Amino acid sequence: SQELEQSPQSLIVQEGKNLTINCTSSKTLYGLYWYKQKYGEGLIFLMMLQKGGEEKSHEKITAKLDEKKQQSSLHITASQPSHAGIYLCGAATRGSARQLTFGSGTQLTVLP
Amino acid sequence: SAVISQKPSRDICQRGTSLTIQCQVDSQVTMMFWYRQQPGQSLTLIATANQGSEATYESGFVIDKFPISRPNLTFSTLTVSNLSPEDSSIYLCSAITGSLAAFFGQGTRLTVV
Repeated sequence: SQELEQSPQSLIVQEGKNLTINCTSSKTLYGLYWYKQKYGEGLIFLMMLQKGGEEKSHEKITAKLDEKKQQSSLHITASQPSHAGIYLCGAATRGSARQLTFGSGTQLTVLP
Repeated sequence: SAVISQKPSRDICQRGTSLTIQCQVDSQVTMMFWYRQQPGQSLTLIATANQGSEATYESGFVIDKFPISRPNLTFSTLTVSNLSPEDSSIYLCSAITGSLAAFFGQGTRLTVV
């Protein structure tokens, strides 16, 4: 199995709907990073979580790291077409080192 | 935060040649890394760029194919040598700030013909 499982692979939602993307690690997470990528471009940093139970929000996007530090979720409230893109989670599993293992990504489409 | 400038943004190269990608960060950072994103796939770590010493490569990546330099705390280069069509990918550099946030450059899209 993959070291970092991300689900779903793709998501199509109507504008205004809420959605959740999950990221599950087979190893202890020392840091979990969420990014957004538009096709063929670089990664836009969204949030970093480090402590079990931590929750961060930015505008309509909230991310949580579960208490056992092996799973994170990204939640978008009242989605908009501007939220469309590929969402990637990246896991730091080597202690204080920050080499990241990435999930396979979630392709989000928001229909107007 | 950190702003990372990566050059070139894209290139088309002939087989057997090499391409050097530059990564400049606007502030001193603790760690720098290079990743590859093959078409339709997620990111894979190539190596850690160590300041003033040889890079540390991940399994499956070797120095002869991917030589890396990091002469100071804000700059690194990745060379992809002896290009083949299988090297066609997006290459991204990443920098870690003191707060352990990980930022990425805009990527270099390489096409080998």
